[in-house]
Amino acid sequence: AQTVTQSQPEMSVQEAETVTLSCTYDTSESNYYLFWYKQPPSRQMILVIRQEAYKQQNATENRFSVNFQKAAKSFSLKISDSQLGDTAMYFCAFMKLTGTASKLTFGTGTRLQVTL
Amino acid sequence: KAGVTQTPRYLIKTRGQQVTLSCSPISGHRSVSWYQQTPGQGLQFLFEYFSETQRNKGNFPGRFSGRQFSNSRSEMNVSTLELGDSALYLCASSLTEKEQYFGPGTRLTVT
Repeated sequence: AQTVTQSQPEMSVQEAETVTLSCTYDTSESNYYLFWYKQPPSRQMILVIRQEAYKQQNATENRFSVNFQKAAKSFSLKISDSQLGDTAMYFCAFMKLTGTASKLTFGTGTRLQVTL
Repeated sequence: KAGVTQTPRYLIKTRGQQVTLSCSPISGHRSVSWYQQTPGQGLQFLFEYFSETQRNKGNFPGRFSGRQFSNSRSEMNVSTLELGDSALYLCASSLTEKEQYFGPGTRLTVT
């Protein structure tokens, strides 16, 4: 079974600053996806960024980028130029690549507060 | 395209009752997954349906069941409700494994 660990329950960052959220995972699989989801107070889960394990290059999406260390089973999210709208719960998630079923295993989340 | 819709958005039920939640996926998406979110257990996978067949199931008691219709809409049913079933139930639809798009959730309160 896969496990996902987010060791930072809460973090705070000032507007325009950079923050990094940590995530580690445990799996014996070699083919998988890793995701970061954002859940604002509205509770709608929004995909932030995705990383395929077979790709060595770190994924980036505008102000969001990841540091994927496959050997260390680490998958951190960096948010640059933080904005007030980034305030949310952030969940790291793992999905085994099976070609069929889709099951996400989530971490416990990191609550990010962006302040003025 | 319209996003994933879930109905109802809020629900209050009494212990022992049963409840049915509905999820309409994004047009063209044939996979629908359900998750339960609680403060204590976090986000947990319930089950996934694809083309009216359950492809994957999480570790929940048999009181939790689901189904999918030919138009890909999905329902989940919880029978004999317990206080611990109070949660946000999230539905997600996907076209491929790469992305799951979530609905706004149904907040179920069991009293």
